[in-house]
Amino acid sequence: GNSVTQMEGPVTLSEEAFLTINCTYTATGYPSLFWYVQYPGEGLQLLLKATKADDKGSNKGFEATYRKETTSFHLEKGSVQVSDSAVYFCALSDRRFGGYQKVTFGIGTKLQVIP
Amino acid sequence: DVKVTQSSRYLVKRTGEKVFLECVQDMDHENMFWYRQDPGLGLRLIYFSYDVKMKEKGDIPEGYSVSREKKERFSLILESASTNQTSMYLCASSSSSTGPGRGNQPQHFGDGTRLSIL
Repeated sequence: GNSVTQMEGPVTLSEEAFLTINCTYTATGYPSLFWYVQYPGEGLQLLLKATKADDKGSNKGFEATYRKETTSFHLEKGSVQVSDSAVYFCALSDRRFGGYQKVTFGIGTKLQVIP
Repeated sequence: DVKVTQSSRYLVKRTGEKVFLECVQDMDHENMFWYRQDPGLGLRLIYFSYDVKMKEKGDIPEGYSVSREKKERFSLILESASTNQTSMYLCASSSSSTGPGRGNQPQHFGDGTRLSIL
């Protein structure tokens, strides 16, 4: 079956540091890839997505590139802020037989940014 | 913007009670999902539905059932609550439309219900 692997963390960075959260996946077919963010006390929000190989998703200074050859979708940001402290989930989505959506989430990586 | 509303943010129930968690979405999405979120385990899919009156088991359906009588509403039912069902429950919805270049559509989540079973 499909799977998504990411480190659980916590990842602790100082403000303005460079961020990388690694995500690798296994899947059959041609999945879409997503990063979601969960702020304390809230549900998950879509951060960015990519639907095919070599696509780059970007939003709020975050970027991730769909790498089919390495089955990866690493999240990066050049300069983190305290307000980026949250849990980040990598996810993939494909279609089961019958055409409906099956989503697989990683375990989530907690990011703490200190001033 | 899509809004997914879960009926309660916090809920406390007793062992053996029948518990209902309600979820409503306002974007006419075909797909709806129930997850539970536990520390160290991430999100685990309990049930999902891709149409009214349709349901499919996810990865951990035991002890749960669901109901989808209307397109906008998806209910999770704990038939006889147990302490190991204490968790954060998240509802999500998504569109089935793909279209050229759109790929699989993202899920939209509610804020969650933190359920404690005493």
